[in-house]
Amino acid sequence: EAQVTQNPRYLITVTGKKLTVTCSQNMNHEYMSWYRQDPGLGLRQIYYSMNVEVTDKGDVPEGYKVSRKEKRNFPLILESPSPNQTSLYFCASSFEGAGAKLIRPQHFGDGTRLSIL
Amino acid sequence: AQTVTQSQPEMSVQEAETVTLSCTYDTSESDYYLFWYKQPPSRQMILVIRQEAYKQQNATENRFSVNFQKAAKSFSLKISDSQLGDAAMYFCAYRSAPGTYKYIFGTGTRLKVLA
Repeated sequence: EAQVTQNPRYLITVTGKKLTVTCSQNMNHEYMSWYRQDPGLGLRQIYYSMNVEVTDKGDVPEGYKVSRKEKRNFPLILESPSPNQTSLYFCASSFEGAGAKLIRPQHFGDGTRLSIL
Repeated sequence: AQTVTQSQPEMSVQEAETVTLSCTYDTSESDYYLFWYKQPPSRQMILVIRQEAYKQQNATENRFSVNFQKAAKSFSLKISDSQLGDAAMYFCAYRSAPGTYKYIFGTGTRLKVLA
């Protein structure tokens, strides 16, 4: 089954304790992206990756790191989490063929609810 | 920079009736893509419909259709014969043409369906 898998689904942690949210897709997609969803603000893009070892900042990258060492994985790293990073996080992936005219819709993971005390 | 605006935080519709959710966007680009996503209480993000800006014909998917007005930069979603399962948060999203990789989402419209 084609899917994007995020772990953990829920996490409560404390300020300053490094954490990683994993994201894995089994569709051989080139494009992967992280979003955070906050009430009244919709989804905002944190980072995205166009392919292995190629990443770029979205609109709200401060306080986050990412890496793309393998095509299927795109972990989100919070080196020193703070309470303002309490949010619902989504990972997404999509096909992005070279020279493709059509944008393929993103497949989303089920979300990670992160609470930082 | 591109922006996406959903001016209706919440809408209600009677079951079996029709409702239209509005979305406007701002861009200087001529080639782009627009999407509507549905987020039910389960939090999943589900693609409802998509529209390529170079296509004049409005996209349709069963009971869901869009009214795409490129000159007015408007992209509304019409849901016909509303069902209880349509109750969800709906997000409008914008992406530039291939070769650019940013997505811009609106703030969402919560749709309630009344029995």
